[in-house]
Amino acid sequence: DTEVTQTPKHLVMGMTNKKSLKCEQHMGHRAMYWYKQKAKKPPELMFVYSYEKLSINESVPSRFSPECPNSSLLNLHLHALQPEDSALYLCASSQDQAGGSYNEQFFGPGTRLTVL
Amino acid sequence: GQQVMQIPQYQHVQEGEDFTTYCNSSTTLSNIQWYKQRPGGHPVFLIQLVKSGEVKKQKRLTFQFGEAKKNSSLHITATQTTDVGTYFCAGPWDVKTSYDKVIFGPGTSLSVIP
Repeated sequence: DTEVTQTPKHLVMGMTNKKSLKCEQHMGHRAMYWYKQKAKKPPELMFVYSYEKLSINESVPSRFSPECPNSSLLNLHLHALQPEDSALYLCASSQDQAGGSYNEQFFGPGTRLTVL
Repeated sequence: GQQVMQIPQYQHVQEGEDFTTYCNSSTTLSNIQWYKQRPGGHPVFLIQLVKSGEVKKQKRLTFQFGEAKKNSSLHITATQTTDVGTYFCAGPWDVKTSYDKVIFGPGTSLSVIP
């Protein structure tokens, strides 16, 4: 199984809502990532988990809260988002943290988030 | 700070023509990766280059890593409509921390006219 799955595919939420994005992989990868991608822009790194521990937080606002319950799952909890947070949120995983000797990243299909 | 550029930003080619995108870094890299993202899709890993001057081929795609490990190129021979998408280089531009972060370049968007 070389697939990264993400749910939901689409999400519309108000600025006062609380929602969560979910990501799952069963490739035995030890590094998992959250990216944010705006239209016609590259994916922008948000968080990196390595061996279930948060290793990189790219100065992301606290209204985004990541969680790694186990080595296969990655969540992104959303609270009090702003309309400018509307974007495609991509999850990825790799065998080890990027920069290592083998760090191909496998991306999920993403969750398209709209904040009203 | 570290800078990465990709040129061109957009490229429109007639089907059958060749295409090249270039990725230039202001710093020496330990490795560089290339990804392709189809319209409406997600990035898909194509290749990783590690050695100075390395050249790798995948069918009609040729990837090169510069001798100084500061630039890379992706060349597609005889483009097809299936090549449409955005091509990103990605590298560990930030080496200040004890671990490297892979950051995506701005991308080159390829359109192929049938």
